This record gives sequence, structure tokens and C-alpha cells, in this order.
Amino acid sequence: ETGVTQTPRHLVMGMTNKKSLKCEQHLGHNAMYWYKQSAKKPLELMFVYSLEERVENNSVPSRFSPECPNSSHLFLHLHTLQPEDSALYLCASSQDLGGRSQPQHFGDGTRLSIL
Amino acid sequence: RKEVEQDPGPFNVPEGATVAFNCTYSNSASQSFFWYRQDCRKEPKLLMSVYSSGNEDGRFTAQLNRASQYISLLIRDSKLSDSATYLCVVNPGNDYKLSFGAGTTVTVRA
Repeated sequence: ETGVTQTPRHLVMGMTNKKSLKCEQHLGHNAMYWYKQSAKKPLELMFVYSLEERVENNSVPSRFSPECPNSSHLFLHLHTLQPEDSALYLCASSQDLGGRSQPQHFGDGTRLSIL
Repeated sequence: RKEVEQDPGPFNVPEGATVAFNCTYSNSASQSFFWYRQDCRKEPKLLMSVYSSGNEDGRFTAQLNRASQYISLLIRDSKLSDSATYLCVVNPGNDYKLSFGAGTTVTVRA
């Protein structure tokens, strides 16, 4: 059972809809991440939070809006998305932002399809 | 040049065989290295960290070659359950930013 849970697992939405992705980690970690994984491409880092403060906004379009109300929960609010936004969205957490020798633990992802 | 490059495969091997593949990285100052495993339509899961001296975990052996800037993964006595995509992950600096390869797909057949 994963220590990082994401809901929903699948989401189909139209370009004018508004929806939110949710991530919850049960590992007591202080850092959380959103990644985008498109088919056959490497994971792309979108946002990073440490102790509920955003430390990275990796040139992500404003139609993606993250929210981190506490160190265990992370949301990604979606509005007016484009077809090219269809992808697997992965949440991850790590103990801290230290990075070195500190792996990130991933949730099982939300597969998003934009019609 | 991509930060992390992997042969996409697929590597098709029979059960019981040994399979090995490499991953090259561009930043010579890279500090940490990992292999993750990703099953079809699932999340990446940490397989093993890669240490300078090389390390082994059961049937899996990882090596680091800093001079040539690559890491390798060797799977011995392949099982059907080893079929997956193996992601090479490199930490170029001493922070949280990881560089991911696009993955090497391994298919083990009966």
C-alpha cells in the first residue's frame, strides 16, 4: 500500500471544466511535488512545496494552480485545460528538500484526459 | 543534449536470462543516482539507490561509472514480474531537483 495516495485515479474533463486533483501523504514528509508524465517522455517537475510553502513553480501555465493547506495534503486545481494537458499527473513526497540520497515516493497518479 | 538518456528498448528476454542496460547523464557534478521501476499505467517506485562503489539488492545490481558518466542496472535470473519500465533518475545538485530518463522497457517472456 502506497504512503502517498492520489484521487481521482482517472479524470475526463472538457476544456471549460474546473476540477481538482488531490494528494495525501502518510509518511510524515515535509516536501511534496507535482509532476506531469506524458507518454514516452520523462517526468516533468511542475511544483514543489516545503512545509506548505511553494519553492518551485517550473514555468507552468496559470491554468494549473497548486494549493498546499498543510504538509500532508497537496491539491492541483485545473481550469480551462488544453488537449495537450492530457497526461499522468503524479504527486510525490520526500522527507525534506535535501535531495541528496533522498528518494522521492510517488502516489499512483491521476490519469487526466482532456476532451 | 538531454540531462539523462536511456535506451527505450524494449529489451525482450526469456525467463531466467540476465539483462543489463545503461543510462548516461550529462552533468558531471551529479550527486545522487536512483533506479525506479514503473509498471504500465502505474506510479514509479524506487527500486534502488546507486552508490559509488556499486550495490546489489537480490537479483539486481547497480553500478556507477563517474568517468564515463553512466549508471547501469543488471537483472539476473529474470522473472516475468520484472517486466516493467526502468527509470534512471539523477540528482544533478544537492537539492530536490531530479532529472528523469524516459525509461527502458524490459519484457520478460515465459
